[in-house]
Amino acid sequence: DVQLVESGGDRVQPGGSLKLSCAASGFTFRTFAMNWVRQAPGGGLEWVSSLSGGGGTTYYADSVKGRFTISRDNSQNTLYLQMNSLRVEDTAVYYCARVESRDLLPGTRSDYWGQGTLVTVSS
Amino acid sequence: DIQMTQSPSSLSASAGDRVTITCRASQNIYNYLNWYQQKPGIAPKLLIYRTSTLQSGVPSRFSGSGSGTYFTLTISSLQPEDFATYYCQQSYTTPLTFGGGTKVDIK
Repeated sequence: DVQLVESGGDRVQPGGSLKLSCAASGFTFRTFAMNWVRQAPGGGLEWVSSLSGGGGTTYYADSVKGRFTISRDNSQNTLYLQMNSLRVEDTAVYYCARVESRDLLPGTRSDYWGQGTLVTVSS
Repeated sequence: DIQMTQSPSSLSASAGDRVTITCRASQNIYNYLNWYQQKPGIAPKLLIYRTSTLQSGVPSRFSGSGSGTYFTLTISSLQPEDFATYYCQQSYTTPLTFGGGTKVDIK
């Protein structure tokens, strides 16, 4: 069975850093692109970042560009999100989600999601 | 950025009702439209992709249609397990964008 398990969420002060991890199992990790999607408390879904299966192509939402870095270790079947210069508005549950293809083409979809990890940015 | 607008933002319905949710895109996204279902405290679940293709395991009472800028999600006969929030999402271009969600609750 496909499993995605996020970790690394915590409470951090504004301006701080945090690194999220997403451990994948049950599929050939390197052959799938991956997404990070977040959800603020009581809010809707917001796409954060995408990474191709080989790691060569990345995309970011404008709200996190220059502050967040998506990466992956295909030997460890793990996706990461390095978050720097955190802001109060980054407070959210962060989900990793598998994209159903290796490449980030139009028409892709997130077919499996992790349970999410909570990031709270507060002084 | 492509804006996705869902309506209504919430609705109350009874089991057995036919329910339709609308999603409009601010520009042409062809058929690159996905629908997700989310229940409280649980990760979203993919229901429909490419406008009208049901994800494996999704009941046939769910259906999607549309093209260009106008899309709909229909539940033909609402079941108790369908009370949830539904999101549309365009996958035509980045930034990937979601609609604001439609909460379906019990009348």
